[in-house]
Amino acid sequence: GDSVTQMEGPVTLSEEAFLTINCTYTATGYPSLFWYVQYPGEGLQLLLKATKADDKGSNKGFEATYRKETTSFHLEKGSVQVSDSAVYFCACTSGTYKYIFGTGTRLKVLA
Amino acid sequence: DTAVSQTPKYLVTQMGNDKSIKCEQNLGHDTMYWYKQDSKKFLKIMFSYNNKELIINETVPNRFSPKSPDKAHLNLHINSLELGDSAVYFCASSQVTLRDRTHYGYTFGSGTRLTVV
Repeated sequence: GDSVTQMEGPVTLSEEAFLTINCTYTATGYPSLFWYVQYPGEGLQLLLKATKADDKGSNKGFEATYRKETTSFHLEKGSVQVSDSAVYFCACTSGTYKYIFGTGTRLKVLA
Repeated sequence: DTAVSQTPKYLVTQMGNDKSIKCEQNLGHDTMYWYKQDSKKFLKIMFSYNNKELIINETVPNRFSPKSPDKAHLNLHINSLELGDSAVYFCASSQVTLRDRTHYGYTFGSGTRLTVV
């Protein structure tokens, strides 16, 4: 079945460090891909998305590129801030309506 | 004005009780979902309704029953609550353009933390 695999956390970085969170997917057809962020005690918020191969999604300094050849959608940010500390979820569509989520990666940024 | 609102935010109840969680969206989306998030943050889809029609019904105990009175509302009723039902339950909504299956992403509510004691 369809699945999403994310790197296990937690990821701990110093402020202004470079961030990469790896995500790979297994899905039939041409899924849409998403990154969501969850701050403590809140729901998930859409961070960015890409709907076809080679698309780059970007928002708030975060970027991810849809790589069909490697079935990947890695999240990157050039310089993280303490306020980026949260749990990040990669997701892909499965069929018309369902999204499959990865297990989440907790990011902790230290001042 | 909250886009997807769930009530209550917290729910503490005893084993064996019956409880409901309500969800409303004002985005005009045609599809709504219930997801369960366990203590390890793992998210699992439970149900989905499209224009009041049940379209996703994952392997969930039949003590859980969704109800969608209209496309802006999706409620979740749980009978005979068990300790293992303790989790955070998220409602979400989305709009999918079926012509080309364009996905714009889910909008999530802020969650209902259910604790069964």
